Amino acid sequence: EDKVVQSPLSLVVHEGDTVTLNCSYEVTNFRSLLWYKQEKKAPTFLFMLTSSGIEKKSGRLSSILDKKELFSILNITATQTGDSAVYLCAVCGSNYQLIWGAGTKLIIKP
Amino acid sequence: KAGVTQTPRYLIKTRGQQVTLSCSPISGHRSVSWYQQTPGQGLQFLFEYFSETQRNKGNFPGRFSGRQFSNSRSEMNVSTLELGDSALYLCASSLSAGGNAEAFFGQGTRLTVV
Repeated sequence: EDKVVQSPLSLVVHEGDTVTLNCSYEVTNFRSLLWYKQEKKAPTFLFMLTSSGIEKKSGRLSSILDKKELFSILNITATQTGDSAVYLCAVCGSNYQLIWGAGTKLIIKP
Repeated sequence: KAGVTQTPRYLIKTRGQQVTLSCSPISGHRSVSWYQQTPGQGLQFLFEYFSETQRNKGNFPGRFSGRQFSNSRSEMNVSTLELGDSALYLCASSLSAGGNAEAFFGQGTRLTVV
């Protein structure tokens, strides 16, 4: 059965810290891995990764995929209170269907 | 450019009733996907419609159904509501079919079954 596992489930850090969120997967016919940020209700797109070892970067956020070890990490440097959210990882596999992880709830304390 | 619009935003229903939720995608987007989100469960895929055809379906009972109209607007129907159907229902639209593209989510409909 396809599955996506995110860790940790929750994380509390102080402003300015760097965090690393993990997403591991076992998905048939992997096509891509996507990261989303969910602050209140509507998740917003962060990155889509398809190739191993190529870092995607947007400001203080970056992400990389390891297709051999079947995981991805999302890094956030110099965290701010506005980074507090649930970060969701999803993997596109067979039939182009997305399998979602349960999310990591990140809390940034001022 | 207007985003994805879901109506209603909140809904309270009693067990046994049925409900219809609506989703208007971003103009030009032909793919609409529906998800159920419950605390600690992440997003559970319900189904995807593209050009009025259901392309994919998740592992939900037949009480959950949907359709898409020629203007790409989509509706989701849940019949014979159960307490366990209480959840946030999200729809997402994208330009292309399948999950291999950036999706834009609506604010969701919070359904409470009592």
